[in-house]
Amino acid sequence: DAKTTQPTSMDCAEGRAANLPCNHSTISGNEYVYWYRQIHSQGPQYIIHGLKNNETNEMASLIITEDRKSSTLILPHATLRDTAVYYCIVRAANDYKLSFGAGTTVTVRA
Amino acid sequence: DSGVTQTPKHLITATGQRVTLRCSPRSGDLSVYWYQQSLDQGLQFLIQYYNGEERAKGNILERFSAQQFPDLHSELNLSSLELGDSALYFCASSPREWGTSPLHFGNGTRLTVT
Repeated sequence: DAKTTQPTSMDCAEGRAANLPCNHSTISGNEYVYWYRQIHSQGPQYIIHGLKNNETNEMASLIITEDRKSSTLILPHATLRDTAVYYCIVRAANDYKLSFGAGTTVTVRA
Repeated sequence: DSGVTQTPKHLITATGQRVTLRCSPRSGDLSVYWYQQSLDQGLQFLIQYYNGEERAKGNILERFSAQQFPDLHSELNLSSLELGDSALYFCASSPREWGTSPLHFGNGTRLTVT
């Protein structure tokens, strides 16, 4: 039951902002958007999450559209170490687990 | 460093054997989750424990079992191992049974069944 749609892959230039889109057109009012990344078989790393307001932390910014049907994860200055699979996940506050899809393979190139 | 510790990092064993994977959650976290990641399946939720009690099951085989101990560490037991059980096994933890707090993952145990 895929709740999100992400591009399979994308390339980014080192030092530039990386904008990762995610479509979640069937999102419910109590569902949050979470972003994780997985670097080469390491454990998934939490990046950021939000409900409807834009969020920013030391790793990234999350922009959620007003209708909440899509969002964008922004890595402000991509580095080679940001090369990873990025997962956009929709999860309700009363849901016990995260359901991972295929994610977007992001390759940062020098 | 997520604060979630998994041991061992690597495990190689033969078909038919039994292994135990161990997970120590982040300090203060009461929920532990187990996930399996194989090449063709992606990250699959197996089971969740909260404060020692099983709370949710996903696609966990009957040959697999888990428990969470009073000190909150958890073990995943895999028995009658088959070649197809070769995968990365991740543990994650969170403060509560559910809610908006993110799950934090360990770096996994890579199981190879030969």
